Amino acid sequence: KAGVTQTPRYLIKTRGQQVTLSCSPISGHRSVSWYQQTPGQGLQFLFEYFSETQRNKGNFPGRFSGRQFSNSRSEMNVSTLELGDSALYLCASSLLGQNSPLHFGNGTRLTVT
Amino acid sequence: QQQVKQSPQSLIVQKGGISIINCAYENTAFDYFPWYQQFPGKGPALLIAIRPDVSEKKEGRFTISFNKSAKQFSLHIMDSQPGDSATYFCAARPEYNNNDMRFGAGTRLTVKP
Repeated sequence: KAGVTQTPRYLIKTRGQQVTLSCSPISGHRSVSWYQQTPGQGLQFLFEYFSETQRNKGNFPGRFSGRQFSNSRSEMNVSTLELGDSALYLCASSLLGQNSPLHFGNGTRLTVT
Repeated sequence: QQQVKQSPQSLIVQKGGISIINCAYENTAFDYFPWYQQFPGKGPALLIAIRPDVSEKKEGRFTISFNKSAKQFSLHIMDSQPGDSATYFCAARPEYNNNDMRFGAGTRLTVKP
């Protein structure tokens, strides 16, 4: 079974621009979560989608948004980029259930200059 | 929002030794405690997980010890190998069953040959 696929692997953007990151979950996984990883703040939850609906949202500004498509693929968007948005953005998929582990992709490394 | 505290920040162990990483949580409403291993350039990968009704779980060289009353859990890596050199994250998931996982800050383990 293919793992979680994130594209692109690397992105360099300028302050004020917007960016869209893509995630394809493991086949059969309908829950997709996004996390931001930085050296200072560690791994922080952004949001989770299930059946095209946002189930939960972390403590990030409204510039961070996401969506999920009917095939469970997900995208996240960051508008009006700031230098502090430079991070590794990780997507994770899972089955829905109490013992279902998160399966992470290898992330998209976003650098804002 | 940090509800999981992890120590030490870094750890150096000789090959064949035991690596011990500790975590403590503040919220009793967690019901699932996984450990993740992350290599450079990769996303976190699930190593082992435990539920709070179990005090210990062992998988190969990896063991989780869980102390519910003290709100602490730890990862023991027996017979540590250079290939175990990675960053390890403990995590806790809220019992309302979503993927808003709370991660510790990570421990960088180096196993010297």
